[in-house]
Amino acid sequence: GESVGLHLPTLSVQEGDNSIINCAYSNSASDYFIWYKQESGKGPQFIIDIRSNMDKRQGQRVTVLLNKTVKHLSLQIAATQPGDSAVYFCAERYRGYQKVTFGTGTKLQVIP
Amino acid sequence: EAQVTQNPRYLITVTGKKLTVTCSQNMNHEYMSWYRQDPGLGLRQIYYSMNVEVTDKGDVPEGYKVSRKEKRNFPLILESPSPNQTSLYFCASSLKISTEAFFGQGTRLTVV
Repeated sequence: GESVGLHLPTLSVQEGDNSIINCAYSNSASDYFIWYKQESGKGPQFIIDIRSNMDKRQGQRVTVLLNKTVKHLSLQIAATQPGDSAVYFCAERYRGYQKVTFGTGTKLQVIP
Repeated sequence: EAQVTQNPRYLITVTGKKLTVTCSQNMNHEYMSWYRQDPGLGLRQIYYSMNVEVTDKGDVPEGYKVSRKEKRNFPLILESPSPNQTSLYFCASSLKISTEAFFGQGTRLTVV
């Protein structure tokens, strides 16, 4: 539950503004990246993914950007709403490995 | 409804008393995995399974066992739980490794 959000970097955003959550990934050979959202008391929920042959992918109100040069992944949320308040995790899959590694997460707080 | 079901949701047990956390998915997914989530550490993979009778260690497998006798079920077994296994546990399934994962609601385990 709430203990998941402790000790995490926090991003506070005014309702209606755009949010940008950043993630530095570790392995230059990673070929698949995912963003998950975790609300208090729930399991992570898939938001959007991107493969390494792409730089950008858009969903509904969300955009993921991948910069392979600096091993950086970002999640942009347009017109942030109170329901977007959650912990956001990026995850990467190392090419050739059969597992996915998660980042430590960022807490997004939306100020009404 | 497509879902991953874990049981129990909450469990308090004593050191050394064997326990099993069940996980079942109804999506005919091949890939299943177990994670533990601790404050500040994100989600760490314990074990994963590529398919029936195929399991492998994740990043933190010590003290845990799994089995995959059927495609839908992937139980997590703690033969002799210790207090350092107190954590929030999640089961997840996906069609393949490089596709979105569906997570269960979590099992909060306390070992005293």
